[in-house]
Amino acid sequence: RKEVEQDPGPFNVPEGATVAFNCTYSNSASQSFFWYRQDCRKEPKLLMSVYSSGNEDGRFTAQLNRASQYISLLIRDSKLSDSATYLCVVFNSNSGYALNFGKGTSLLVTP
Amino acid sequence: DTGVSQDPRHKITKRGQNVTFRCDPISEHNRLYWYRQTLGQGPEFLTYFQNEAQLEKSRLLSDRFSAERPKGSFSTLEIQRTEQGDSAMYLCASSLGPPLGAGGGDTQYFGPGTRLTVL
Repeated sequence: RKEVEQDPGPFNVPEGATVAFNCTYSNSASQSFFWYRQDCRKEPKLLMSVYSSGNEDGRFTAQLNRASQYISLLIRDSKLSDSATYLCVVFNSNSGYALNFGKGTSLLVTP
Repeated sequence: DTGVSQDPRHKITKRGQNVTFRCDPISEHNRLYWYRQTLGQGPEFLTYFQNEAQLEKSRLLSDRFSAERPKGSFSTLEIQRTEQGDSAMYLCASSLGPPLGAGGGDTQYFGPGTRLTVL
């Protein structure tokens, strides 16, 4: 079983819609959690860290449920420019210093 | 531009040839990472340096892969006797980590990658 699992999508949504992505991780000792965004043929870029209390950055809200080993990302009022792949990322120092990436969830926002 | 840079951006080679990629991290970052990404997958960790010390290399894909960071600044990733299955995007990332032994992750910033095609 992969350490980080994501629904690959694609998610096709109209502008202005709200869309949610989910991610599960297998290692209960995982310590840090992130969402990265990756545009086509570009490098991943940090979108936001995910904290136990949940956190919000503008239209983006991230939630962490440690008991269920579940991470979510909510995007409100989708923009065309939100079209990208969203990568769920988990860090556990006990398994080295690597970031463990999910396969990513593809989002296409249409006019 | 003071971000992570990688060179070359694209490399086409014939099977059996050796290739070397370079990564220049953000200047004050002491941690440097190499990842590989194939189509439809997330990046896969290969190896990691703290300054010039290579602290994790067990996840290099085979003994054909090696990496160096001789002066704790730039790093090179070499693939010997390339195979068609090595075709992928090779990503470098850097971070300003806590002191060695303190543990903990930190934000990794990725370079634009080197796209390798093995014919």
